Amino acid sequence: SQKIEQNSEALNIQEGKTATLTCNYTNYSPAYLQWYRQDPGRGPVFLLLIRENEKEKRKERLKVTFDTTLKQSLFHITASQPADSATYLCALSGSARQLTFGSGTQLTVLP
Amino acid sequence: IAGITQAPTSQILAAGRRMTLRCTQDMRHNAMYWYRQDLGLGLRLIHYSNTAGTTGKGEVPDGYSVSRANTDDFPLTLASAVPSQTSVYFCASTSSRRPSGNTIYFGEGSWLTVV
Repeated sequence: SQKIEQNSEALNIQEGKTATLTCNYTNYSPAYLQWYRQDPGRGPVFLLLIRENEKEKRKERLKVTFDTTLKQSLFHITASQPADSATYLCALSGSARQLTFGSGTQLTVLP
Repeated sequence: IAGITQAPTSQILAAGRRMTLRCTQDMRHNAMYWYRQDLGLGLRLIHYSNTAGTTGKGEVPDGYSVSRANTDDFPLTLASAVPSQTSVYFCASTSSRRPSGNTIYFGEGSWLTVV
């Protein structure tokens, strides 16, 4: 069956360090992979999209990699700040334009 | 402010009652979605609509119905609510004209409790 797994439900890191979140998937052949941020009581907000033929995408302090051989995406936040504390969701998209989401990783950046 | 508006923000509903969650977007997006989010299960797609006049079933459609009479509105109806439908419901939309094709914009959610 198709499955999306994100590493550990919760991740705590010290301010200034790089946070690395993992998204693994099975039985998908996604055209795109996306990352969203969700704050408590709010809807998810789009962060980055990476296509299957792209290895890496960057946006300010964020970096996403996409390895279709390993069926894995890594999401990095460099120089992390307490304001980066949130739940981060990965999502896969196929040609039908429907997204399937992982259950998310709750990141806490400690001051 | 452009975006997606959901109503109500929260609701407590007696089991067996009928309930419609409203969703309106002003971005002229073609595709709209309803997701539910439950602790430990993430976001799950209930129903979707790729364009006005068409709808489709997602991962968890049972007990829910939708309609898409125009581009802007995509209401979700629970015909006879049950406690297992207690959840946070998110409406979302995307524009088919974006080069990426798939960036999704979400509303702020409707918190529904069925007792």
